[in-house]
Amino acid sequence: DGGITQSPKYLFRKEGQNVTLSCEQNLNHDAMYWYRQDPGQGLRLIYYSQIVNDFQKGDIAEGYSVSREKKESFPLTVTSAQKNPTAFYLCASSSDRPPGYGYTFGSGTRLTVV
Amino acid sequence: RKEVEQDPGPFNVPEGATVAFNCTYSNSASQSFFWYRQDCRKEPKLLMSVYSSGNEDGRFTAQLNRASQYISLLIRDSKLSDSATYLCVVNSGGGADGLTFGKGTHLIIQP
Repeated sequence: DGGITQSPKYLFRKEGQNVTLSCEQNLNHDAMYWYRQDPGQGLRLIYYSQIVNDFQKGDIAEGYSVSREKKESFPLTVTSAQKNPTAFYLCASSSDRPPGYGYTFGSGTRLTVV
Repeated sequence: RKEVEQDPGPFNVPEGATVAFNCTYSNSASQSFFWYRQDCRKEPKLLMSVYSSGNEDGRFTAQLNRASQYISLLIRDSKLSDSATYLCVVNSGGGADGLTFGKGTHLIIQP
């Protein structure tokens, strides 16, 4: 079955470390997105990509970086510059530009700073 | 970024009751509207799209009022399994940066 796979499910980061969250989709979707969700809060857009080798900053891109070398993959790196990285990270994809039929989400990665 | 506003609740509703909640959006150019369901510590999942003419899917009915810029979701004969957070989602009026999410309305169905 087609879908989006995020890994790992849980990730622990030490202060000053960079960590990379994986997002892979086999839906043949062009557009991919990274969101962050904090407890009791809505989803906030970190980065998005409409096509391979191109990506744009979202509302809260500081302290994060991405790449889009393959259509299927959109990894997110949380750098040491991100001062409050503990959150639930969600990757999504869509076949529309702009999305007219909603997103498919991965199951998320819960990142905790220790 | 344009906003989507929802009453966070929680809405505590007895099983079998009917419950409705609204959301308002600020971008009048918005074209696509959705309700997503999010269970605790899980990813959001598409519940239904919202069409101008209104649409129904089993016990769920969604309505769109473009003039007043609000969307509603009605749940009839509520089940314990309907307990979740319901996210109102709107496209960003043609922008390439995707959808705008409300913070969600927390619904608790009580036995």
